[in-house]
Amino acid sequence: SQTIHQWPATLVQPVGSPLSLECTVEGTSNPNLYWYRQAAGRGLQLLFYSVGIGQISSEVPQNLSASRPQDRQFILSSKKLLLSDSGFYLCAWSRDRGGPNYGYTFGSGTRLTVV
Amino acid sequence: QKEVEQNSGPLSVPEGAIASLNCTYSDRGSQSFFWYRQYSGKSPELIMFIYSNGDKEDGRFTAQLNKASQYVSLLIRDSQPSDSATYLCAVGPGGYNKLIFGAGTRLAVHP
Repeated sequence: SQTIHQWPATLVQPVGSPLSLECTVEGTSNPNLYWYRQAAGRGLQLLFYSVGIGQISSEVPQNLSASRPQDRQFILSSKKLLLSDSGFYLCAWSRDRGGPNYGYTFGSGTRLTVV
Repeated sequence: QKEVEQNSGPLSVPEGAIASLNCTYSDRGSQSFFWYRQYSGKSPELIMFIYSNGDKEDGRFTAQLNKASQYVSLLIRDSQPSDSATYLCAVGPGGYNKLIFGAGTRLAVHP
């Protein structure tokens, strides 16, 4: 069966510090991968998605970036965090194109507080 | 701009009652529809998906889809306090692609 791992679960970082969040998927190949952010009491905001190694699409301009160095690994980074980067970060995967859309499976999330 | 609209709630229902959650979407080309449940502080988990007009039942949950009215709903029968959570509606095209999420409806089931 497929599983998605996301870490760390909680992170407190000072303003201006770098960020690296990692997500890995097991039990499937060539997944589509997504990074979402959820601000407190708000909906899900799509940040990045990827359909393959090295292929990253950005949804919103900001000081975040994403990379996919391996098929089942997705990394969210920042060189300098802002207070507004605080939130609940979620990684998700879905099957690649060609089959029915079974929706996303989310990782357990990272709660980031920038202080 | 493709949109998915949900009433933010809270929707308060007594234990044992039927909870009805509603969602409308703007893209007539949408083909796949999903309901996620999100407990406070946790990540969303998929509870139902539906592709065709009509009803789809899974245990206490029933998803209803009306593409002509661009409307999808989730019914929860015999609501339990453990059903208290935020329910997210998500809409997407038939194959792979990005899902559009609503902001969610908060459901509170009181004993």
